Amino acid sequence: GAGVSQSPSNKVTEKGKDVELRCDPISGHTALYWYRQSLGQGLEFLIYFQGNSAPDKSGLPSDRFSAERTGGSVSTLTIQRTQQEDSAVYLCASSLARGADNEKLFFGSGTQLSVL
Amino acid sequence: DAKTTQPTSMDCAEGRAANLPCNHSTISGNEYVYWYRQIHSQGPQYIIHGLKNNETNEMASLIITEDRKSSTLILPHATLRDTAVYYCIVRAYGGATNKLIFGTGTLLAVQP
Repeated sequence: GAGVSQSPSNKVTEKGKDVELRCDPISGHTALYWYRQSLGQGLEFLIYFQGNSAPDKSGLPSDRFSAERTGGSVSTLTIQRTQQEDSAVYLCASSLARGADNEKLFFGSGTQLSVL
Repeated sequence: DAKTTQPTSMDCAEGRAANLPCNHSTISGNEYVYWYRQIHSQGPQYIIHGLKNNETNEMASLIITEDRKSSTLILPHATLRDTAVYYCIVRAYGGATNKLIFGTGTLLAVQP
């Protein structure tokens, strides 16, 4: 595909359940980011993957959150034992990450997570 | 990465130029200025970036002051579809951290 693809677009879950959110970056993009955006708020950085380097996990809010990126492409963000405060739009972005001119992030449309 | 300061909101008449200011007084020599925007219910969209020279592309112009402590994003002929939150971000390429940190941005409302 031409852009960053995220699935599902909407996810409703019950408090305490685990959820997995998927991101397919643009082909050839080596950098991948996860952000979340609560209603009416700005973007909160979660985690950053760059090639084979160790990911920057400094934004993950708790140990219930984890993410992996397999084969340098698809990424999955997992939230265990979901809480109501986890409700937000989860956005994924990718970039070529080669030189400042290529550090443009391309965002997906996000996954709207609602925890009941 | 240096912190940026932007007005919370601005209005602009349709067809007129929209000038969005950003202060980044603590910017370092290797830090670029990036602008993104987020239209309601969509992911952010890259607009433009620059280091010290003024830049122009099909979407906008970026004017950076000579001391690089502030910049202005210019949308030359604003349309209703330009209504969005505009984020000014300062980031060093190749630094210890490559994460892009978004602030609260400026809500630009283009009025008919």
